[in-house]
Formats: sequence, structure tokens, C-alpha cells
Amino acid sequence: EAQVTQNPRYLITVTGKKLTVTCSQNMNHEYMSWYRQDPGLGLRQIYYSMNVEVTDKGDVPEGYKVSRKEKRNFPLILESPSPNQTSLYFCASSLVRGLWDGYTFGSGTRLTVV
Amino acid sequence: GESVGLHLPTLSVQEGDNSIINCAYSNSASDYFIWYKQESGKGPQFIIDIRSNMDKRQGQRVTVLLNKTVKHLSLQIAATQPGDSAVYFCAEIPIEYGNKLVFGAGTILRVKS
Repeated sequence: EAQVTQNPRYLITVTGKKLTVTCSQNMNHEYMSWYRQDPGLGLRQIYYSMNVEVTDKGDVPEGYKVSRKEKRNFPLILESPSPNQTSLYFCASSLVRGLWDGYTFGSGTRLTVV
Repeated sequence: GESVGLHLPTLSVQEGDNSIINCAYSNSASDYFIWYKQESGKGPQFIIDIRSNMDKRQGQRVTVLLNKTVKHLSLQIAATQPGDSAVYFCAEIPIEYGNKLVFGAGTILRVKS
């Protein structure tokens, strides 16, 4: 089944403890992206990647890092999480940027930072 | 499920009725629009899109209307079913932002049986 897989689904952590949220897609997509979703707000883009080893900042990149060493994986790294990073996170991918009808989202990761 | 619905407008409809969900977009230069559906515990799913050179587009049980004069987008769902209960949000692509989606906050649709 074609899908975007995020892990973990739920995570509670403490301030300052480094964590990684993984994202993997099995569709050979070039474009991948991370969003956060907060109550009452739309999805806001954190980082995106046009292809392997090509990443760029989105609208809210502060406090996050990403890497794209392989086409299928696009992990989101929080080096020193803070409570304001408590949010619902989504990874998404598409064949190329701009093919939005094929833009596939993962099921989300609910992160709580205490 | 995941709670993203705080402070969002809510539309409650009776099963079988038609639903109309509205979206006011911000950028008059946007040339492409998408409606997404987000069910509890899931990621957003593409429903239907429309380009700015159109004012209406129909899919299966859904119709999107675009009024560029007042920067308004609507999603009509015919014969609403319980499985349509979700958060719906629109996204636009402003030309000056390149090929980047800008998402609206969303509307909760509740279907009463």
C-alpha cells in the first residue's frame, strides 16, 4: 500500500531532551515536507525537501532540523524541545513539488513537551 | 483522536442534507485551490481542486465553487453521510510564493444521524 509512515504516533518528552520523529514513504516521491498543526490554525510548514540532500526552511523552522540522506526518509529532529513545540506534526510527500493532487500525508505524531 | 478543532467554526447537518463549507482566502493572486478532509486521527486527504480560470468544478458528490471577486471558495457536499464528518480546510497557492500551499484553519462538519 502506498503510504507515508510516521513514528511514533504519540510522544511525551521533557524539555531539552533531543528527539527524532521519523517519516518514510514508499512511493519514490522526490518532494517531502513537515508541518505542524495547532488548535485553530492551519498547517504550517516547518521544512521541506525537493530531493536527496536538498532541504529548505518553511514558515516555522526555528527549533527544528531535518535531513534527507535517502529518498524515502525525512526525519524531523528537535535538538532541544521546548513546551511551545507541543503540537500535532504531519509529514507529507509528493512525486514532485506542485503535484498537489498526489500529495500524501502521514497519520500524524502528537508531541507533548513538558 | 487528534484534536485540532479548538476554536474552529462548526457546521452541523442532518444526514442526507446538503452541506456547504466556506473559505475566505487571502491572496487575490492565488491561482490554484484545494479542499482537504481531515478525519479524526488521520492526516489530511485531497478532495478536489480548482484553478482560478474556473468558477466551478464537480467531483463525486462534491462541488467546489470559486468567486474570485470576493475571494471566496466553497465546498458543497451532496447527500451528506456520517462518514463525511471531519475537519475540512482549503488551501491556496499564491503566485508570489512559488509552488507553496497556504492552508486555512478549517471548519468542523458534524453529521447527525
